[in-house]
Amino acid sequence: DVKVTQSSRYLVKRTGEKVFLECVQDMDHENMFWYRQDPGLGLRLIYFSYDVKMKEKGDIPEGYSVSREKKERFSLILESASTNQTSMYLCASSLGAAKSSYNEQFFGPGTRLTVL
Amino acid sequence: GEDVEQSLFLSVREGDSSVINCTYTDSSSTYLYWYKQEPGAGLQLLTYIFSNMDMKQDQRLTVLLNKKDKHLSLRIADTQTGDSAIYFCAEHNQGGKLIFGQGTELSVKP
Repeated sequence: DVKVTQSSRYLVKRTGEKVFLECVQDMDHENMFWYRQDPGLGLRLIYFSYDVKMKEKGDIPEGYSVSREKKERFSLILESASTNQTSMYLCASSLGAAKSSYNEQFFGPGTRLTVL
Repeated sequence: GEDVEQSLFLSVREGDSSVINCTYTDSSSTYLYWYKQEPGAGLQLLTYIFSNMDMKQDQRLTVLLNKKDKHLSLRIADTQTGDSAIYFCAEHNQGGKLIFGQGTELSVKP
C-alpha cells in the first residue's frame, strides 16, 4: 500500500520561529511536491523536486525553502514563520515518468500549521 | 497563464445525481484528474481521463470532457452521504506539474 507520511498533523508556532515540515514516501518516487491549501484558493504549489538534491520553485515560494537530501524525504522550511503562513500544508509524490505521461500524485494527510 | 476554475459549493439530496464542473485553460493538457478530499485528510485520486477521450465511466462516476470548450465534469450517480467531500479537478501541464482548481465542496443532505 502506497504511503506518504507527514511528521505532524497539527502544529502551533510563534511568529519568527523556524519551522520544519517533514514528508516521507515509501514508494521510491522521484518527484515530490509541497502545496499549501487555503479555502477558496485550492492547492498552490510551493516547491517541488524531481530528484535528490534538486529543487524548483513553484507558484508561491516566497518565505519558504526546501531540502531533499534523500530520495524518500522532502522537507519544507519556514525560515521565519509569519501569521500569513497559517495554512494546511500537503506533501505529494509521484513517479518520475516522462512529463507528458500519466503521473498520479499521492498525497500525505496534511499538516495544519497555525502561526500565532 | 494556466488556470483551473470550479464553483465552490454544491448541495444535493441523497439519491440524486451530483454534477461538478470545471474549466481549464491549457489546451495541451494530456491528462485531467478528479481528486477527492474527505474531512481532515489528504487528497485521493478518484478518476482521470486522457485528453483524447470524451467520456469515461467507472461505476457511479462519469467523467465528461469537452476539449473544444475546455470543460470537464464529474457526475456522481445515486449520491450518498459518504460522498460528502471536497472535489478537486486538476490538469497535467506540459511542465509535468498538476494545476488544481479551487475545489468544490459537495454537501449531501439525507
